[in-house]
Amino acid sequence: QSVLTQPPSVSAAPGQKVTISCSGSSSNIGNNYVSWYQQFPGTAPKLVIYENNKRPSGTPDRFSGSKSDTSATLGITGLQTGDEADYYCGTWDSGLSAFGGGTKLTVL
Amino acid sequence: EVQLVQSGAEVKKPGESLKISCQASGYSFTNYWIGWVRQMPGKGLEWMGIIYPGDSDTRYSPSFQGHVTISVDKSISTAYLQWSSLKASDTAMYYCARPHYDSSGYDLAYFDYWGQGTLVTVSS
Repeated sequence: QSVLTQPPSVSAAPGQKVTISCSGSSSNIGNNYVSWYQQFPGTAPKLVIYENNKRPSGTPDRFSGSKSDTSATLGITGLQTGDEADYYCGTWDSGLSAFGGGTKLTVL
Repeated sequence: EVQLVQSGAEVKKPGESLKISCQASGYSFTNYWIGWVRQMPGKGLEWMGIIYPGDSDTRYSPSFQGHVTISVDKSISTAYLQWSSLKASDTAMYYCARPHYDSSGYDLAYFDYWGQGTLVTVSS
């Protein structure tokens, strides 16, 4: 049971927009930054959003992040088939880290 | 270029011990925390713990405290994850990852680099 709650799956058509939610508590998301990771099957996770809404170099500007109180959201616009992957939110709580349970994005 | 290179896949029997490694390069190893993440087959990411190579300060997830040991060898910029007695339920992919401080420089905020993963299979 993850301390951060994500929907197991989301789906949308190519070119559309999708959002993935991540719900936590005042002790984790409420007082810490949120990051997002993309993982393709058989590969290591990759950071796509850090400090709630910043993109590392290499992350397309189609990806965005936001945070409000104890929840965070990853948004992806102009969906491409290559975006189909698992997405995980992550944060910290009193010096310990935690991840959400992950969301499988299907691009129909 | 920052790289985290992990040791190869392992197949072990229940009750055996194991130590897997993660060799870092491209940055000052002693100035950054480094940690481990478990991913069981078909499941999500689970944070196990982190260590600061500079002074070996270690933090464990309550879920893994007492079950594994995280250590480092500063002389070869390598972090380790160790089990004294493996169980079948330890079968998983294990990733090392480097936590990065936030823009204030005071708090850990995200994992910016990841190793390629080490698959551990425990079966009789």
